[in-house]
Amino acid sequence: DQQVKQNSPSLSVQEGRISILNCDYTNSMFDYFLWYKKYPAEGPTFLISISSIKDKNEDGRFTVFLNKSAKHLSLHIVPSQPGDSAVYFCAARGVTGNQFYFGTGTSLTVIP
Amino acid sequence: GAVVSQHPSWVICKSGTSVKIECRSLDFQATTMFWYRQFPKQSLMLMATSNEGSKATYEQGVEKDKFLINHASLTLSTLTVTSAHPEDSSFYICSAKGTARYEQYFGPGTRLTVT
Repeated sequence: DQQVKQNSPSLSVQEGRISILNCDYTNSMFDYFLWYKKYPAEGPTFLISISSIKDKNEDGRFTVFLNKSAKHLSLHIVPSQPGDSAVYFCAARGVTGNQFYFGTGTSLTVIP
Repeated sequence: GAVVSQHPSWVICKSGTSVKIECRSLDFQATTMFWYRQFPKQSLMLMATSNEGSKATYEQGVEKDKFLINHASLTLSTLTVTSAHPEDSSFYICSAKGTARYEQYFGPGTRLTVT
């Protein structure tokens, strides 16, 4: 059973515009949510995270929003740059601290 | 900070041989390490979770006798693919997590090709 879902396998955005990547989860006991960025043939890179007690976390061009009632989080990238083109994974941490559940990824393409 | 390395980055081996992949946390102590496998155009598949000094916990469907995991120290975990077959060809990625932080840090991955 997929506890973390990314329903959009791909997204294309014009350079300079906003990219919005979405993620849904089913388990209300997750305590942290994370976004990772992955280039082909490389390991994922940690991007940004948010605690379940917050609804927004911002780091430069990246902002993550958490809507606990909807069990939904999103990653906003503004402005989008061609170097942002990669696969983005959202992940949720279980309360034991050692279980992480990953979504299937969204491939973002930023068009120059 | 929080750098994780993997060695080798790419390995080609013959069917029936064993291959060892190393995962090291370079600047922090990794109490927990994770091993993932990624097939082309698919998501990360968690294979096993290992805590330093104890046996690894394998995910359902992962053969523990085929994928041997050792986490002997706080900075090193190894994955040995025993009696490798072409279907084991994949991209293997490790990640590490310390006690002080909640996020995992991933290694660059190892491409295994079994001929």
